[in-house]
Amino acid sequence: SAVISQKPSRDICQRGTSLTIQCQVDSQVTMMFWYRQQPGQSLTLIATANQGSEATYESGFVIDKFPISRPNLTFSTLTVSNLSPEDSSIYLCSASAGGPLDTQYFGPGTRLTVL
Amino acid sequence: GDSVTQMEGPVTLSEEAFLTINCTYTATGYPSLFWYVQYPGEGLQLLLKATKADDKGSNKGFEATYRKETTSFHLEKGSVQVSDSAVYFCALSDYVTGNQFYFGTGTSLTVIP
Repeated sequence: SAVISQKPSRDICQRGTSLTIQCQVDSQVTMMFWYRQQPGQSLTLIATANQGSEATYESGFVIDKFPISRPNLTFSTLTVSNLSPEDSSIYLCSASAGGPLDTQYFGPGTRLTVL
Repeated sequence: GDSVTQMEGPVTLSEEAFLTINCTYTATGYPSLFWYVQYPGEGLQLLLKATKADDKGSNKGFEATYRKETTSFHLEKGSVQVSDSAVYFCALSDYVTGNQFYFGTGTSLTVIP
């Protein structure tokens, strides 16, 4: 299994600013993902973070709004840009040590509130 | 496309009651199936999984059997505890459709003493 940490655990931001969330895994992993979980809702995949190349975004999510980096096999960042109250949500990082069907392990999440 | 349909909540049970949370799925290929649990204020934790038909996943007294004929993966526990209060998510991953996990909408469980 993989242990995943995220920073910050929560933040309150002003409209129009940006927040960068860091995700650190305790071992080298093949796949890293970013999800959004809006209040009382299920998880929505934002993108797959690819090591050394551009992230793969799901429909409805774009790089300008959610730039992602993955400089190595254990670390990724998600930036939520030009914040609006609609971006208030929990953002979750996950990782899979094996292939696409392998178990995904989740970080504790970052709770973002935009005023 | 692939999807997961999960029993709606919230569910409230008394301690030591029997729990069933229904989950059915639609998949293009031969998916792996998962149950995750999210305790208040925390991220998702893997509860159990099954990777092929008739497999039974089990953990912490929870069980779920992969039923291909009924495309189901219902979560059960014989005697719930207050500490089981959480949100439970059913999920699948399907090699045919690539990397993505598909999650159900989650079922909130509250166990009262």
